[in-house]
Amino acid sequence: QVQLVESGGGVVQPGRSLRLSCAASGFPFSRYGMHWVRQAPGKGLEWVAVIWYDGNKKYHAESVKGRFTISRDNSKNTLYLQMDSLRAEDTAMYYCAREYCTSLSCYVDIWGQGTLLTVSS
Amino acid sequence: QSALTQPASVSGSPGQSVTISCTAISSDVGSYFLVSWYQHHPGKAPKLMIYEVTKRPSGVSTRFSGSKSGNTASLTISGLQAEDEADYYCCSYAGVGTYVVFGGGTKLTVL
Repeated sequence: QVQLVESGGGVVQPGRSLRLSCAASGFPFSRYGMHWVRQAPGKGLEWVAVIWYDGNKKYHAESVKGRFTISRDNSKNTLYLQMDSLRAEDTAMYYCAREYCTSLSCYVDIWGQGTLLTVSS
Repeated sequence: QSALTQPASVSGSPGQSVTISCTAISSDVGSYFLVSWYQHHPGKAPKLMIYEVTKRPSGVSTRFSGSKSGNTASLTISGLQAEDEADYYCCSYAGVGTYVVFGGGTKLTVL
């Protein structure tokens, strides 16, 4: 079945770096755009970044632009989020999600279970 | 403030219907506004309930329906059940710069 499994979360000090991974299975990964979405404790969902199916286009939210970089390795069916200069406000559950496109629009249809990042000294 | 505004909470008794609104306060979002809706139980992966305003993915109960009027989209849940208690988020494409925005979320309580 279609599955997204995130990993790489943990506790990290402010200013440090961390890379999250998302392993995809059950669908042709290289044909789909992919997103990262996060949820800080007690807050709502916040879109973080998107990468096109072939990796040629990427967009990041203003809150992470210049610090986070989304990437993918289609040969490994894996999505990544490189996070640098981490701040306390980056503490959140991070979800990877698949983008499905129709002739009308694109939307997220499948989500992983998430990986928790805590930024704290 | 999110470009999509939702009520913080709604409630209803089992068997009743509730409607959750989602208003685009940005003209950029409003011009795209093919809203999707997600159900999120704490500790679980969010689940797609409605896409392109009114369409229901396979496997989603027919008790869930979507609509739109102008810059406001709505999710209606009929025949409320205890398992519907969750957070609900609307989502829209927002243009190349912002790309995707979520509403602030609405907590549904089944009384």
